[in-house]
Amino acid sequence: QVQLVESGGGVVQPGGSLRLSCAASGFTFSSYGVHWVRQAPGKGLEWVALISYDETNKFYADSVKGRFTISRDDSKNTVYLHVNSLRAEDTAVYYCAKDGYLVGATPGQLDYWGQGTLVTVSS
Amino acid sequence: DIQMTQSPSTLSASVGDRVTITCRASQTVSTWLAWYQQKPGKAPKLLIYRASSLESGVPLRFSGGGSGTQFTLTISGLQPDDFATYYCQQYNSYYPTFGQGTKVEIK
Repeated sequence: QVQLVESGGGVVQPGGSLRLSCAASGFTFSSYGVHWVRQAPGKGLEWVALISYDETNKFYADSVKGRFTISRDDSKNTVYLHVNSLRAEDTAVYYCAKDGYLVGATPGQLDYWGQGTLVTVSS
Repeated sequence: DIQMTQSPSTLSASVGDRVTITCRASQTVSTWLAWYQQKPGKAPKLLIYRASSLESGVPLRFSGGGSGTQFTLTISGLQPDDFATYYCQQYNSYYPTFGQGTKVEIK
């Protein structure tokens, strides 16, 4: 079955960096886009970034543009989120989620989610 | 960005009740709207997509409706497993956005 497993979270100082990973299985990875969505403690869901199935399109929320970079390695069925210049307000659980559209040109619904990885930005 | 506003923020209901959550978009999203359920400490789960299509495996008591800027999620006959937080999300643009969430509590 479809499975997404995030890793790479941890405690980092303000201004620091991390690389989050999302390892996927159970579907044809190279045919689907992948999103990152975050949730600050006790808060709602915030969409962060999307990479298209063929990596030609990458989109970011304004709150992370210029600081976060999304990429994928289809040989490893893995999507990455490089998070740089971290701020306290970036503290959140980061989820990766599979886009629902096969070779979609535009975003679809998020039909499968990982369990999340916690990023804590603190001095 | 398209803003999504849910109401109410909190809803108190009893087992067996019919409950409706509303989601309003700041501009039209056609029917590019999804609903998710989230329980504490867990990842969100897709319930409804394209405003009214039920995701596979989701109980029939969940239904979605609406188009343009106004949408609803209805639970017909609330079950103990349904007490959770619900989010709407538009995907009409390259920048999907979520509503702030509606927490369904036990009355």
